[in-house]
Amino acid sequence: GAVVSQHPSWVICKSGTSVKIECRSLDFQATTMFWYRQFPKQSLMLMATSNEGSKATYEQGVEKDKFLINHASLTLSTLTVTSAHPEDSSFYICSARPVLRAADTQYFGPGTRLTVL
Amino acid sequence: DQQVKQNSPSLSVQEGRISILNCDYTNSMFDYFLWYKKYPAEGPTFLISISSIKDKNEDGRFTVFLNKSAKHLSLHIVPSQPGDSAVYFCAASAYTGNTPLVFGKGTRLSVIA
Repeated sequence: GAVVSQHPSWVICKSGTSVKIECRSLDFQATTMFWYRQFPKQSLMLMATSNEGSKATYEQGVEKDKFLINHASLTLSTLTVTSAHPEDSSFYICSARPVLRAADTQYFGPGTRLTVL
Repeated sequence: DQQVKQNSPSLSVQEGRISILNCDYTNSMFDYFLWYKKYPAEGPTFLISISSIKDKNEDGRFTVFLNKSAKHLSLHIVPSQPGDSAVYFCAASAYTGNTPLVFGKGTRLSVIA
């Protein structure tokens, strides 16, 4: 149980285009989903916290107009990288926190590798 | 300002020996600590956790020790196996509601056969 999927697993796009990444909790409902970004040889950097039915909370330094997050249901959150540029190339990972579970419980998706040419 | 620190970026251990991965934290509000294992191009997978009310938690080959006064925790893997080779992230949370985990930078463990 507690499976989180991400789609696509990898994507290559041209500079200036927008890319949407989906994060789904497959066998549980998640009130909160988190979006992380990982640069090579670095830690997971939290980008934003997404709560179902409300606006996402972005971490300092993350442009909310560039990284659009939608959490329309208890099983789906999407991250849209708008007008992507090569510096947005990274590994994006989501995690989901089940409803009524402890604050420390998060299940991670497999990640999405974005390459912007 | 890094709240969770893993000062060793890499560690090499021979198969069968003990691997010890260290983690330090600065935020005294943290009361729950987790270790995640991550293979390249995959998401982190949960390994083991410990609450601040304990000083040790064991699960098979994995044991986590917590020293609250020193704000230090460590993950022991014994015996180490080649399949344990991965990046290990230490994470911490403060049980204050919808707070995200704070991750360290990770330690790359290589277990040599």
